[in-house]
Amino acid sequence: EVQVLESGGGLVQPGGSLRLSCAASGFTFSSYAMSWVRQAPGKGLEWVSDISGSGGSTYYADSVKGRFTISRDNSKNTLYLQMNSLRAEDTAVYYCAKKAVYSGYDCIDYWGQGTLVTVSS
Amino acid sequence: DIQMTQSPSSLSASVGDRVTITCRASQGISNYLAWFQQKPGKAPKSLIYAASSLQSGVSSKFSGSGYGTDFTLTISSLQPEDFATYYCQQYKSYPETFGGGTKVEIK
Repeated sequence: EVQVLESGGGLVQPGGSLRLSCAASGFTFSSYAMSWVRQAPGKGLEWVSDISGSGGSTYYADSVKGRFTISRDNSKNTLYLQMNSLRAEDTAVYYCAKKAVYSGYDCIDYWGQGTLVTVSS
Repeated sequence: DIQMTQSPSSLSASVGDRVTITCRASQGISNYLAWFQQKPGKAPKSLIYAASSLQSGVSSKFSGSGYGTDFTLTISSLQPEDFATYYCQQYKSYPETFGGGTKVEIK
């Protein structure tokens, strides 16, 4: 059974840093791209970042580029999101998601339960 | 960036109703369109990929169609467990973008 489980959320002051982790199981982790998607309180879904299976390619939303870094450790089946220079508008539930390849393009097929990040003084 | 526009933003329907949600892309995305369902306080669930293909384990009461810029999600016979918010997402190009969501409520 495919499982992805986020951790690392919490309360952080504006300007602070936080690292999210996502532990994956039930599939060959290194073979699949992964995503981070967030949802601010009462709002819709916002794509944040993607990373290829090898970790060699990364992609970011403009809203987080230069502040967030996605990475993965395929030996530990774990995805990370390093978040620096956090702002109040980064407050959200952050979801880790597995992607699958369909006709050469990656699409989310499984979601984690999410971890809440609150940026406030 | 590709903008995704869903309509309506909310709708009220009765159990047994056939419901259709529309998603429009600001430029052509072929069939690189996914649909997700989210219930309050829960993580999203993947329903459809490639505009019309059901994810494994998803009920056949859900169906998707469309190509290019215009897409639809149809629920053939609404059941109590289907009341939720539905999102479309394009994965043709980065940044990947979601529609604003359609909340399906009980009439």
